[in-house]
This record gives sequence, C-alpha cells and structure tokens, in this order.
Amino acid sequence: DVKVTQSSRYLVKRTGEKVFLECVQDMDHENMFWYRQDPGLGLRLIYFSYDVKMKEKGDIPEGYSVSREKKERFSLILESASTNQTSMYLCASSLQYLGGNQPQHFGDGTRLSIL
Amino acid sequence: GNSVTQMEGPVTLSEEAFLTINCTYTATGYPSLFWYVQYPGEGLQLLLKATKADDKGSNKGFEATYRKETTSFHLEKGSVQVSDSAVYFCAFLSGGYNKLIFGAGTRLAVHP
Repeated sequence: DVKVTQSSRYLVKRTGEKVFLECVQDMDHENMFWYRQDPGLGLRLIYFSYDVKMKEKGDIPEGYSVSREKKERFSLILESASTNQTSMYLCASSLQYLGGNQPQHFGDGTRLSIL
Repeated sequence: GNSVTQMEGPVTLSEEAFLTINCTYTATGYPSLFWYVQYPGEGLQLLLKATKADDKGSNKGFEATYRKETTSFHLEKGSVQVSDSAVYFCAFLSGGYNKLIFGAGTRLAVHP
C-alpha cells in the first residue's frame, strides 16, 4: 500500500513566522501535490511537482513556496504566515503517466492554525 | 473552465437507506473520473474510479457510472451504514501530470 506521511497532524504558529510542512511518500511516485481544504471550497491545488527540483504553480500559489530536493519528499513553505492561511493542508502523490488515469494517494493532513 | 458540481450537503439518512450523491463535471474531452472519501480526522481515500464512457466503478457497495451524454458520475449505494458517514468528493483528471479537479464535497451523516 502507498504510504503518504505528513509530519504533523496539528500545528499552531504565529503571524509572520516561516512555516514548513513536510510530506514523504514511500512508493517512488514522480508526482507530488499540496492542497488546502476549506469548508465549502473543497480542495484547491497550491503547488505540484513532477520531478526532483521541478515545481509548477497550482490555482492558489500566492504566499506559498515549495521544495523538492529528493524524490520522496515535498515540502510546503509559508514564507510569512498570515491568519488567512489557517486551513487543513493535504499532501498527495501519484505515478507519472501523461494522459493516463493514475489516482492520487493522500496523507492524513495537517491542520494549521495561524494566530 | 474545468469544474465539478456536487449536490450540497449535508445529506442525512437512516441506516439501510438508499444513497445518491449527484456529480456533474465540465471538462475538455473525456477525463478519468474519481470518487474520494474523507472519514473524520483523516485524509482522502480513493473510493472508486472510471476511465471511459459507460464504465462502472465500484467498491465497498458504492457504485458510479461514467455518463458521457450527461457529463455525470453520480455515486450510489443501496444500503448505507453508520460507518459510511464521511465527506465524499467527486473529481476528474485534468491535463498532464495527473492534476485533479475536485468538487466542494458532500457530507453524509447516517443515523442508526
């Protein structure tokens, strides 16, 4: 079974702090994704990566950056946390198959509160 | 643009009732379609999928049929259980790199 592990289930930070959310997958997947989940809005894609050191902006990248130095690890960085970034953050991974039907596998999520 | 529309929740049912959660999509071409489920306090799990028109995905008693004519992928279950209480998300793959477009989710609450 695919295992996607997010480093923290709950995190509380202060406005202006630099925040790191870590995600590790154990199935050698090429693609990795970061989403935020908010009530009534579903999941919105922040960034994704299709290879080491490669990244692409999703639908809501403002205020975030990412890092992928190793294939199994994908980090989300809040450069200067703000209260409107309080949310549930979900990491996912999938095999690379252009035009194919590979599902994404999700971690358990990190509930981040910015005070 | 690409989007998914799901019926608004919450959907409240008694145990053993019949469940339908409607999902329609707007997309270019005929993408692969998915239903994900999120149990309380957990991440999303793939429930079922269909990759081409008229395919039926099924898992754990849930079913959904890929209807190209109506661009729909409605989720059904004949007899729900309390353990089915969760949020259900309809989604499809968009473009390359397996990006998913999600609906807003539908919360299901099943009472004994």
